[in-house]
Amino acid sequence: QKEVEQNSGPLSVPEGAIASLNCTYSDRGSQSFFWYRQYSGKSPELIMSIYSNGDKEDGRFTAQLNKASQYVSLLIRDSQPSDSATYLCAVNSQNAGNMLTFGGGTRLMVKP
Amino acid sequence: SQTIHQWPATLVQPVGSPLSLECTVEGTSNPNLYWYRQAAGRGLQLLFYSVGIGQISSEVPQNLSASRPQDWQFILSSKKLLLSDSGFYLCAWRGTGTNYGYTFGSGTRLTVV
Repeated sequence: QKEVEQNSGPLSVPEGAIASLNCTYSDRGSQSFFWYRQYSGKSPELIMSIYSNGDKEDGRFTAQLNKASQYVSLLIRDSQPSDSATYLCAVNSQNAGNMLTFGGGTRLMVKP
Repeated sequence: SQTIHQWPATLVQPVGSPLSLECTVEGTSNPNLYWYRQAAGRGLQLLFYSVGIGQISSEVPQNLSASRPQDWQFILSSKKLLLSDSGFYLCAWRGTGTNYGYTFGSGTRLTVV
């Protein structure tokens, strides 16, 4: 079992819809969680971080964390074609020496 | 503010040639530094990380090596490149504390021919 798992996609949503990206992790001791956006041919860019159970909103992005169920999700409201990218979930894992463990990423396609 | 620089942006090298990629960080002291490789359409593979000058940990056995001669400098090297070394090489830094994510450089796309 991978330490951080994401559906590789592609996840296709129409413009203006809500895109929901999910991530599960195996290390129950994980304390911090991050979402990165990676456009094709570019480096990953940190877009959200979350540390406590519940929701954290930043503009059109909402990160959700449920430590009991060991999942973290990212919602993108009013999706735009410019949101089309691969989204990487990263978890700070005690099992990995407090380094970030990355999921394989979910490719999101927002269709006009 | 902190900035990370990585160069060159693209590189085409013949099999068997040497490699040197450099990464520098400004505006912070004693950062944790990381080298990742990303094959086309694949996830991030951690190659090396460093918590201080001269301190290098290798995650994957291969023909690559890393060095940290200065607090702000991280170098990825190879004596003889293989075709399988092709990929997108990313340097990242992180401040002290687990609440910080990694900040990535702009990456180097290496093609070994």
